[in-house]
Amino acid sequence: NAGVTQTPKFRILKIGQSMTLQCAQDMNHNYMYWYRQDPGMGLKLIYYSVGAGITDKGEVPNGYNVSRSTTEDFPLRLELAAPSQTSVYFCASSKKTSGVVNEQFFGPGTRLTVL
Amino acid sequence: AQSVTQPDIHITVSEGASLELRCNYSYGATPYLFWYVQSPGQGLQLLLKYFSGDTLVQGIKGFEAEFKRSQSSFNLRKPSVHWSDAAEYFCAVGEGNKLVFGAGTILRVKS
Repeated sequence: NAGVTQTPKFRILKIGQSMTLQCAQDMNHNYMYWYRQDPGMGLKLIYYSVGAGITDKGEVPNGYNVSRSTTEDFPLRLELAAPSQTSVYFCASSKKTSGVVNEQFFGPGTRLTVL
Repeated sequence: AQSVTQPDIHITVSEGASLELRCNYSYGATPYLFWYVQSPGQGLQLLLKYFSGDTLVQGIKGFEAEFKRSQSSFNLRKPSVHWSDAAEYFCAVGEGNKLVFGAGTILRVKS
């Protein structure tokens, strides 16, 4: 059971380039999330999904896109990279049961630098 | 919208000393509360959670937290800190399908 996996671990992009951050979970969780973490700012929610085919914006969605075609995968797309998107990105998943907000399981993160 | 405040950005304690990390939340009803720990270069790991019932909850690695409704607080404690506890700690509150995180407290342990 690998839990939540993310690739790549590190990436350097030039301004204007695009890339996709991959996230996969093998726990059959219905909920998946993308966060960015900046020093002293905690985690900010970018997008989340409550199931395959359903996504919604979080607190800081501008400049990003997501899709959820399967339960397992939740990729995050950056179309035109900007220096403001330099950050550490975390993917997480959870299984909501009986109306309770359950714990989220986090991946190891992707450190992205945009130059 | 909910919010979480962790008043201390950095805390330094001596190894073997006790620890308390503060967390205050804003939420009208009974909150779902969480504490996570992040070691350098790692993802977040759940330490403990509170949903209902006993207001003193036990977690992993010898940590505990106490929910105090009257103070809107959920402070994390450990009676004796180990050097391996040096990390960043995040408090979070559940909001619908999501978690709202505090800004984090960085714990340094001096020997």
